[in-house]
Amino acid sequence: GQQLNQSPQSMFIQEGEDVSMNCTSSSIFNTWLWYKQDPGEGPVLLIALYKAGELTSNGRLTAQFGITRKDSFLNISASIPSDVGIYFCAGLATDSWGKFQFGAGTQVVVTP
Amino acid sequence: NAGVMQNPRHLVRRRGQEARLRCSPMKGHSHVYWYRQLPEEGLKFMVYLQKENIIDESGMPKERFSAEFPKEGPSILRIQQVVRGDSAAYFCASSPNQGSTDTQYFGPGTRLTVL
Repeated sequence: GQQLNQSPQSMFIQEGEDVSMNCTSSSIFNTWLWYKQDPGEGPVLLIALYKAGELTSNGRLTAQFGITRKDSFLNISASIPSDVGIYFCAGLATDSWGKFQFGAGTQVVVTP
Repeated sequence: NAGVMQNPRHLVRRRGQEARLRCSPMKGHSHVYWYRQLPEEGLKFMVYLQKENIIDESGMPKERFSAEFPKEGPSILRIQQVVRGDSAAYFCASSPNQGSTDTQYFGPGTRLTVL
């Protein structure tokens, strides 16, 4: 299946720092979703975006739907140890009929 | 509102046996997706189903794998004559509708180990 370009692949940060990751696509999307996956668990939906330019927050998380509709970013502010995990983006292209594309994930490691 | 349910959470099979993975979508959701995830890798799409209908199975291996979502009961992902390479985490997700904007919610996954 088609994959989105998600970067960076991994991040090692200190507690309290901000984290930023992004996803890009060659297709125009109508939906961007951001998930977090802990080891041994399923992905948990963090933020859903449906409009170009939309900026949505969920606690210390902020995500934006790129104005070109081909990209999205996720920011985590003031990271804490429980932010450790793998963050995935997912997108729904305009002609995809419900079939989501996924990024390969960004592994976030937070050190005290 | 209960989330997406998957069972079993862990499944061990010997080579050549059959594996049946079950998924109950969130209440009110009529669309189910199955994904496979190998260790240290992302999610790979397998199949997209509506009730009694396969919408897209382009990610499913042509042999040994099948999926269904009957009118009543859970969606089933069936793997016949399992091989060691089938060992992976299999995730089910559900969504409320099909359209240009949608949201997917994932279950906890079934971890299949083939001995």
